[in-house]
Amino acid sequence: RKEVEQDPGPFNVPEGATVAFNCTYSNSASQSFFWYRQDCRKEPKLLMSVYSSGNEDGRFTAQLNRASQYISLLIRDSKLSDSATYLCAVPGNAGNMLTFGGGTRLMVKP
Amino acid sequence: DVKVTQSSRYLVKRTGEKVFLECVQDMDHENMFWYRQDPGLGLRLIYFSYDVKMKEKGDIPEGYSVSREKKERFSLILESASTNQTSMYLCASSAPWTGEGGYTFGSGTRLTVV
Repeated sequence: RKEVEQDPGPFNVPEGATVAFNCTYSNSASQSFFWYRQDCRKEPKLLMSVYSSGNEDGRFTAQLNRASQYISLLIRDSKLSDSATYLCAVPGNAGNMLTFGGGTRLMVKP
Repeated sequence: DVKVTQSSRYLVKRTGEKVFLECVQDMDHENMFWYRQDPGLGLRLIYFSYDVKMKEKGDIPEGYSVSREKKERFSLILESASTNQTSMYLCASSAPWTGEGGYTFGSGTRLTVV
């Protein structure tokens, strides 16, 4: 099993839709999790940090399911500008490095 | 508000050239990382450093070396550039425990080797 796995997508959704994607991780000791957003040909930028059960920021909600070892990202009322690749990241055992998933591509259509 | 700066956004070099990619961070971070990103392959770690003059190999160090003479600067060196090193190179920095805030990435250098 890969350390961090994501469905590559693409997820094609209409504007206004709600979309969710998951990220599974193998290190059960992980205490913090991150979602990054990466636009085409740009660098990843931190979208949300998750340190306990979840986090909410406007239209974005990240939830953590420790029992099943996955985190999810929910986007409500999708905008065209949400089109991007979303990467999840989890600290490794030593805590001094992140392991990234391969990313999930989201395309929001008019 | 720029926190991690990479010296070039786009670079074109010839096969066999020695190439230097520079990265500077102003957040006083101990950890610095170099990744390359290629379509379908995700982020792959080349080298990382936890302290000045300290370096560790990542998953794909062949053909690369690094230098960290000062805390704020981490340089990636392609000893003899080859066409298969054409890629997007991303520098990142973090606190000692990456769980505290994750990484901050530079804007990337898109290197083309011809």
